[in-house]
Amino acid sequence: GAGVSQSPSNKVTEKGKDVELRCDPISGHTALYWYRQSLGQGLEFLIYFQGNSAPDKSGLPSDRFSAERTGGSVSTLTIQRTQQEDSAVYLCASSLGRGVETQYFGPGTRLLVL
Amino acid sequence: GQQLNQSPQSMFIQEGEDVSMNCTSSSIFNTWLWYKQDPGEGPVLLIALYKAGELTSNGRLTAQFGITRKDSFLNISASIPSDVGIYFCAGHRNSGGSNYKLTFGKGTLLTVNP
Repeated sequence: GAGVSQSPSNKVTEKGKDVELRCDPISGHTALYWYRQSLGQGLEFLIYFQGNSAPDKSGLPSDRFSAERTGGSVSTLTIQRTQQEDSAVYLCASSLGRGVETQYFGPGTRLLVL
Repeated sequence: GQQLNQSPQSMFIQEGEDVSMNCTSSSIFNTWLWYKQDPGEGPVLLIALYKAGELTSNGRLTAQFGITRKDSFLNISASIPSDVGIYFCAGHRNSGGSNYKLTFGKGTLLTVNP
């Protein structure tokens, strides 16, 4: 498709397990963002990738969270040793990568940690 | 981090009524954006505002960038059932090299009664 895609759409895991969330950005978009949306809250910035530059990881809430972007396209957000407070919707967005511009969001992955 | 105060938190209106929501901040933002999020989807950009005082319309939607650059409002006229969703304001700040970051409000949940 032409939009940002994310998988899985839903993930239920047990506390302590690791999870991987995937994002496929729009083709040609060099900028990629991960956000976390908790119930009743706005979107919380997690990490930003732009081309080959070092990612901005300033929003990652703990060292259990990491992300990588392979080949400047697909990105994976990994949460190790999940905790119940990690339960949220994780949204990925991409943009052309020219600064202030429209970010196009994927449908999100709904993570539930039991 | 920076906060955008969005109000109201929720609205329940009758079809055909007009709706108004707003965002305020204690800090200056250089760009204001309004997004809508449908259930199970990612946010979609409705309107972008780039200049203080700017008033922009998109169909039944009208948004304004406040003169002080610390606030914005979104109006929806003659609401219809498909307007249901969560509306988010978001802002960009030109803060060195991180002007790609968006700060989001907590959202306004709009329910339209047919």
